[in-house]
Amino acid sequence: DGGITQSPKYLFRKEGQNVTLSCEQNLNHDAMYWYRQDPGQGLRLIYYSQIVNDFQKGDIAEGYSVSREKKESFPLTVTSAQKNPTAFYLCASSNTDELFFGEGSRLTVL
Amino acid sequence: QKEVEQDPGPLSVPEGAIVSLNCTYSNSAFQYFMWYRQYSRKGPELLMYTYSSGNKEDGRFTAQVDKSSKYISLFIRDSQPSDSATYLCAMSYSGGGADGLTFGKGTHLIIQP
Repeated sequence: DGGITQSPKYLFRKEGQNVTLSCEQNLNHDAMYWYRQDPGQGLRLIYYSQIVNDFQKGDIAEGYSVSREKKESFPLTVTSAQKNPTAFYLCASSNTDELFFGEGSRLTVL
Repeated sequence: QKEVEQDPGPLSVPEGAIVSLNCTYSNSAFQYFMWYRQYSRKGPELLMYTYSSGNKEDGRFTAQVDKSSKYISLFIRDSQPSDSATYLCAMSYSGGGADGLTFGKGTHLIIQP
């Protein structure tokens, strides 16, 4: 089935550790996105990529890094520099205005 | 002033009622307007997509855009318990939307059986 796969679904990490969230899509979409969702905050854009080997910062990129080496993959690293990393992270892809979202990854930093 | 304002709720209504969900926005450059539905612990899914002002109907759902008032609405007729979810409005400047969407905070809707 075509779609977006995020892993892991739940992740616990100690403070100060980097963590990488995986996002894979088989929809042949050019654009991919990472959003963060916090209670009462809605979705906020972290990074996006419109083409392989190119990506742009979104509204809240500080403390995060990404790569886009393949069209299908857009991993997000939450670094130790991110002050409040505990959140629900959503990956999406698009060829038009319609964003298709993955199921999300819930990161908890202890 | 935030770019997109949306009442977080919760909004609780009895089954069969007509539901009205709304968003206001401040940036007149937004041209494309969407409503996403998000069930608990899941990713959002597109419900309605409209361009510029006007109405769009799809089954029990109707989306309205009033650009002059910077106000968009989603109406749900004959609401069902399965409609219980968080509804997010979203908007973008360009048709491609490649630079991402601007979302409201979402309204948590509860349909009581």
